[in-house]
Amino acid sequence: EVQLVESGGGLVKPGGSLRLSCVGSGFTFSNAWMTWIRQAPGKGLEWVGRIKSRYDGGTRDYAAPVKDRFTISRDDSKNTVYLEMSSLKTEDTAVYYCTTVRSITSCGHWGQGTLVTVSS
Amino acid sequence: QSALTQSASVSGSPGQSITISCTGTSSDIGGYDYVSWYQQHPGKAPKLMIFDVSNRPSGVSDRFSGSKSGYTASLTISGLQAEDEADYYCSSYTTSNTPGVIFGGGTKLTVL
Repeated sequence: EVQLVESGGGLVKPGGSLRLSCVGSGFTFSNAWMTWIRQAPGKGLEWVGRIKSRYDGGTRDYAAPVKDRFTISRDDSKNTVYLEMSSLKTEDTAVYYCTTVRSITSCGHWGQGTLVTVSS
Repeated sequence: QSALTQSASVSGSPGQSITISCTGTSSDIGGYDYVSWYQQHPGKAPKLMIFDVSNRPSGVSDRFSGSKSGYTASLTISGLQAEDEADYYCSSYTTSNTPGVIFGGGTKLTVL
């Protein structure tokens, strides 16, 4: 059974930094493309970014609102994908989900999410 | 870039069929067959229901089907059941501004 478990969320002040982790199990993590999706309270889903597998070049793509502030990385030896967030803004407040990628763009399996609150 | 356009809400009675539409542009839905649909119950993580316009992951009921025409994608749910009541989101690959994925604003399905 595929499982994704996010951690690292919490309360951070505007301008601060935070690193989220997502540990995967039940699938061959090193072959998987992974994404981060976020959902602000009471709002819809927003794509944050994606990292391809090392075999496919490990390329990373980001949504415009987070480009140059957020960095996605992976450690296949730990079955873990990370989302490093810096220069955080109040509008970054959201539940952050990590997902597997199915067929280029769709999000196959989802974690339970971790809440990030940016507030002074 | 603007979100894909979905109606805010739709409703239907048990046993009926409903269709949720998702409209985009030539840079997303109109240009690529990478449309997905997700179901989200309150307080839960979303679940993939349809990928690549019309494909169902294993375990998803065949009451759910997807299609696309021009710049509009559609999700049809037949034989509505109470447990179908949820929020539904479409998404598409996009090359507008930065290549990536764009979501619709979501549609609240109410089963009367």
